[in-house]
Amino acid sequence: EAGVAQSPRYKIIEKRQSVAFWCNPISGHATLYWYQQILGQGPKLLIQFQNNGVVDDSQLPKDRFSAERLKGVDSTLKIQPAKLEDSAVYLCASSPLQGRGTYEQYFGPGTRLTVT
Amino acid sequence: TQLLEQSPQFLSIQEGENLTVYCNSSSVFSSLQWYRQEPGEGPVLLVTVVTGGEVKKLKRLTFQFGDARKDSSLHITAAQPGDTGLYLCAGARSYGNNRLAFGKGNQVVVIP
Repeated sequence: EAGVAQSPRYKIIEKRQSVAFWCNPISGHATLYWYQQILGQGPKLLIQFQNNGVVDDSQLPKDRFSAERLKGVDSTLKIQPAKLEDSAVYLCASSPLQGRGTYEQYFGPGTRLTVT
Repeated sequence: TQLLEQSPQFLSIQEGENLTVYCNSSSVFSSLQWYRQEPGEGPVLLVTVVTGGEVKKLKRLTFQFGDARKDSSLHITAAQPGDTGLYLCAGARSYGNNRLAFGKGNQVVVIP
């Protein structure tokens, strides 16, 4: 079974520029997550999708971050304009189940963003 | 305020030694997960604990969920260099909600 795919793996941009990340979850996984992991921190949830609908975006800085999951499969996360403090690893994860029970999240390798 | 506090933040030990790391909170969790993350990779799920007092073993790794479901520990027996990594605990606050809150992690280095 193929894992969660993310691209690009690395990105360096200047502040005030725009950037987009792409994620393709594991086939059949209804739930998709974007996390931000700053160096020395644990992952912080930015947005959670169930199919193509947003379940939780309470921690997404909506003035500069946006995300979409058209057709309920792959997803893109965009930052416009980027700030220095956005330098981090952006992780995408997917999960096969939403509802009662215990849930396993499968993570992609992440995109390391450096804003200069 | 960090919902989950992990300690120690950094631990370096010799191959063959034992170690224990901790994940503590003042909140009750319906379930708690442990992940290991290696440099340049995403976290990989090791175990999920659900029941207070539950103990799970994964080869040389032993995970325990506190009786009150507020804390957890990870014990590694006879550590090997392959155990090196960032160990993250993540808690789910309610059933039916897959949102996880992560701690900052325990960075473990096993020296050959």
